[in-house]
Amino acid sequence: DVKVTQSSRYLVKRTGEKVFLECVQDMDHENMFWYRQDPGLGLRLIYFSYDVKMKEKGDIPEGYSVSREKKERFSLILESASTNQTSMYLCASSYIEPEAFFGQGTRLTVV
Amino acid sequence: AQRVTQPEKLLSVFKGAPVELKCNYSYSGSPELFWYVQYSRQRLQLLLRHISRESIKGFTADLNKGETSFHLKKPFAQEEDSAMYYCALKRAGNMLTFGGGTRLMVKP
Repeated sequence: DVKVTQSSRYLVKRTGEKVFLECVQDMDHENMFWYRQDPGLGLRLIYFSYDVKMKEKGDIPEGYSVSREKKERFSLILESASTNQTSMYLCASSYIEPEAFFGQGTRLTVV
Repeated sequence: AQRVTQPEKLLSVFKGAPVELKCNYSYSGSPELFWYVQYSRQRLQLLLRHISRESIKGFTADLNKGETSFHLKKPFAQEEDSAMYYCALKRAGNMLTFGGGTRLMVKP
């Protein structure tokens, strides 16, 4: 069974904190993605990675960065959390085809 | 630029009624479209893709290039179909552009 695992289901952080969201996949997929999911806006791509140490900006990268030191792990970093980053964050991975496998999501609240 | 529009945020039908969730897209190339579903407290998962032309859980979707649409249909809705549905368009680099989603509620 394919698995994409996000380290936390719920997080509460203070404004200005540096926040790390971790994602691990066990399918040996090259592609990994971070989305945020907001009501009415659907899923918006923050960053993606095609390979280790490789990253590309998605549609809404401002205020975020990523790290991919190992193939199976893709981290999303909020450099200085703000209240408008309160959201559900979804990690996904895919192989050659665009079918993406998603993690269970991390609901981040910034207070 | 590529865009996916789901005009209905909420669709409510009675069990046994037909269902159509609308999806329109804009894309300059040859489109490849998907429907994803998220049941309550479950992760987002692929429901179907247009290239496979398959029926999953009684759902079908036909790509209409003339109308730039990829509507999801089911002739007889079931309560277990209640979920959030997202239409998605493949773009360069195996990335997906998602629509805003439609919540389907099937009432008993």
